Amino acid sequence: EIVLTQSPGTLSLSPGEGATLSCRASQTVSSSYLAWYLQRPGQAPRLLVSGASSRATGIPDRFSARGSGTDFTLTISRLEPEDFAVYFCQQHDPSTMMYTFGQGTRLEIK
Amino acid sequence: QVQLVQSGADVKKPGSSVKVSCKASGGTFRTSSFNWIRQAPGQGLEWMGRIIPFFGFPDYAQRFDKRATITADESTGTVYMHLRSLTSEDTAVYFCATSGGERREYFDLWGRGTLVTVSS
Repeated sequence: EIVLTQSPGTLSLSPGEGATLSCRASQTVSSSYLAWYLQRPGQAPRLLVSGASSRATGIPDRFSARGSGTDFTLTISRLEPEDFAVYFCQQHDPSTMMYTFGQGTRLEIK
Repeated sequence: QVQLVQSGADVKKPGSSVKVSCKASGGTFRTSSFNWIRQAPGQGLEWMGRIIPFFGFPDYAQRFDKRATITADESTGTVYMHLRSLTSEDTAVYFCATSGGERREYFDLWGRGTLVTVSS
């Protein structure tokens, strides 16, 4: 099973600042199969990025993502109050049909 | 617009079972991939399994293979997740989500979640 490790566990920043979140895989993940989600308290996760770098419909361009192989990054420029939430990365392995998530990064207001 | 409406919160005794439903409105039910993903309190997300009603054969994560059953009722456009032999570790919010992309590799539409509490 591919394990995804996210860092940092918690990131404390102020509105207007930029954030960089990391997701590292225990084995190579096809870029096509790496996604990012945002989850606000009491809500379901929301898809932010698919295919490692493609923003989902309605996601503002202050969100950007990149990466390949085992290292993937989500960057948020100019943090807005609604961006403070938990972020998860997720991978799909089509050879085993399995999906796994990272443990999450909590982005909190400093 | 496609929506996933899940059943309400439930409280169960240890050793019992629970059945959570997810009714899809809009979209193409038969060829959609419906997934169940759970989240224990304060924890991360765990994929449990999925079903594509057209094919009818579910796939499960290994740790749920013997305890969970996912089914689909095309007549009502509803997907079900039945989990047996509950313990306190099964206390979680259970999400229904559809998967999109060429290989159905990401989860693009989520239900609001169903809280299942297992307590004696």
